[in-house]
Order: sequence, then C-alpha cells, then structure tokens
Amino acid sequence: GQQLNQSPQSMFIQEGEDVSMNCTSSSIFNTWLWYKQDPGEGPVLLIALYKAGELTSNGRLTAQFGITRKDSFLNISASIPSDVGIYFCAGPRFNAGNNRKLIWGLGTSLAVNP
Amino acid sequence: EPEVTQTPSHQVTQMGQEVILRCVPISNHLYFYWYRQILGQKVEFLVSFYNNEISEKSEIFDDQFSVERPDGSNFTLKIRSTKLEDSAMYFCASTGDNEQFFGPGTRLTVL
Repeated sequence: GQQLNQSPQSMFIQEGEDVSMNCTSSSIFNTWLWYKQDPGEGPVLLIALYKAGELTSNGRLTAQFGITRKDSFLNISASIPSDVGIYFCAGPRFNAGNNRKLIWGLGTSLAVNP
Repeated sequence: EPEVTQTPSHQVTQMGQEVILRCVPISNHLYFYWYRQILGQKVEFLVSFYNNEISEKSEIFDDQFSVERPDGSNFTLKIRSTKLEDSAMYFCASTGDNEQFFGPGTRLTVL
C-alpha cells in the first residue's frame, strides 16, 4: 500500500545530541502528523502540522511542514534517554465516502546512549 | 484530556477460539480504526469505520474479522476463529478532524 518515505531508518546517538529525521511523499498532504511509539504501547501524537511552511514546537521537539507539502521534518534537541522509541510520520488521506485513512512512514528507530 | 481506551490490555486464547477486543473511542469522534502490530514490525491498518459501516478494510481484514459499534460508546473487533498468526498488538484509534489518537493496545496471544 501507499506509504511515506521516512529517513533515517534508525539512529544511535549520545545523550545531549540533537536529532533530525524527515519524511517525504510523492504526493501532497494537507496535514502532517508525527507520532512516537514506545515498546508495547500505542503511538502517541507528538505534533500536528496543518499549513505549508508551518514550524511547530512541542518542548524539545520541532517539526516543519514543507513548503511543497510533500515533506516534513522532526527535530529533537538535547536528546535524553526517554526519547528512545520509534518515531513515525503520517498523513491523512480522504477518500470518497468520507473515508479517512492515515498513510504511515516506516518509522525511525532512535536509541540514545546515556 | 480525552483518550481512547482499550480492554483487555492482554488476552491469551487458544487457536480456533473467538475473541472480542473492545475500544472506547474519544466521545465526539466520528471515525474509528483498528490496526495491528506484529512484534517487531510496523503498524498495519486493518479497518476504518464511519457512520456505522466499514469505510475501508485492508487485505488482512478477511472474513474472520468483524467490527461493530454496539452502542454509542464502544467499538469492537471480533476475530471469529483465531490463528497463531493473529498474535499481535491491536490498536484502536479515533479521529475527529485530522488528528488520529490511539489507544494503548491489546496484546493478543494465540496459543
């Protein structure tokens, strides 16, 4: 099925480092969502972006909605051990019949070395 | 803050048995979803539900699966005759406008 291209696939960093990951699509999205999933738990919405060019922060997290509406990035500043997890980008698709479905990236797995 | 809840958190069943996984979506949401995640793999879409009917289902969602909104608050996923390969985390989600919120999941183990 359709999916978003997310990179990098995995990252292993030292505590205190900044992290950057991105997500691209061949088609336009009007909304970009970034989720984090901890092992054994459900994805948790971190940031939602609604407007091309929008830059939104949530604590140490910053995400931007690309001008072309085909990409987005997520930055984490000054990483800490609890940032460990898998980060997913997602974009909603609205099909005929009021069907709304999320298209997912494959995720970026982040490991933080204390 | 409103949240999606799911019960049970863990379910162990014998192969061939029926299971019902329960979800309570966020109260003013209209779109409901089930996903599954096999251990170590990505989250996979199963089905979306709107206006008391299935909007879309994936190829995973075969005749063994069904969903129901039996009342104004619950949203259930039934697996009629479980198979070993149904062992996974099952996540319910709901959407108001654009943002989709996930429940904590039910870990289903089929023995």
